[in-house]
Amino acid sequence: DTEVTQTPKHLVMGMTNKKSLKCEQHMGHRAMYWYKQKAKKPPELMFVYSYEKLSINESVPSRFSPECPNSSLLNLHLHALQPEDSALYLCASSQRPLAGSSYEQYFGPGTRLTVT
Amino acid sequence: AQSVTQPDIHITVSEGASLELRCNYSYGATPYLFWYVQSPGQGLQLLLKYFSGDTLVQGIKGFEAEFKRSQSSFNLRKPSVHWSDAAEYFCAVGARRNRDDKIIFGKGTRLHILP
Repeated sequence: DTEVTQTPKHLVMGMTNKKSLKCEQHMGHRAMYWYKQKAKKPPELMFVYSYEKLSINESVPSRFSPECPNSSLLNLHLHALQPEDSALYLCASSQRPLAGSSYEQYFGPGTRLTVT
Repeated sequence: AQSVTQPDIHITVSEGASLELRCNYSYGATPYLFWYVQSPGQGLQLLLKYFSGDTLVQGIKGFEAEFKRSQSSFNLRKPSVHWSDAAEYFCAVGARRNRDDKIIFGKGTRLHILP
């Protein structure tokens, strides 16, 4: 099973709302990622969790708050977003690499977020 | 710093024709290289990867790519494209920041298929 699942598929929220995106994988991967993708652009890395600990934050605004409750689950909590935050949010996972091994990432289908 | 260049923003080929998508990378050591495909509104699917060994790698859906260290290239090829291959293709290089892993994506190449 190489599947990463994301819910919801679509989300419309107002600028004062609080919502959460959910990502799940059951491949035993110990690294999980959040990406933001605008139309016609490559994915931009937001956060990396390694062994359930936040290891990389790419200077993301605090209105985005990641959480990794366990090794299979990754959440992205959203609060007071701006219209320019509308995008496809992608989750990915990879094996925590050992020296000399590979670390391809497996992506979920994404959540299409619209901020009104 | 690591980087990936995909020189072609759009490529149009006829169904049944051969395809080559170009990718050049910049990396100080032996790179980990990937090609991903993304259909509209979907996530990214890994087509193939190169880490070491044979420089010609086979992937899914009939794709292959060749790693050429002397040219810093990792071009994607397919001998005969199908209409379902129309999508966005991203070349990527694996990089390490601190002790954790990042993938640096190129800007992508949009493939259009003519019937």
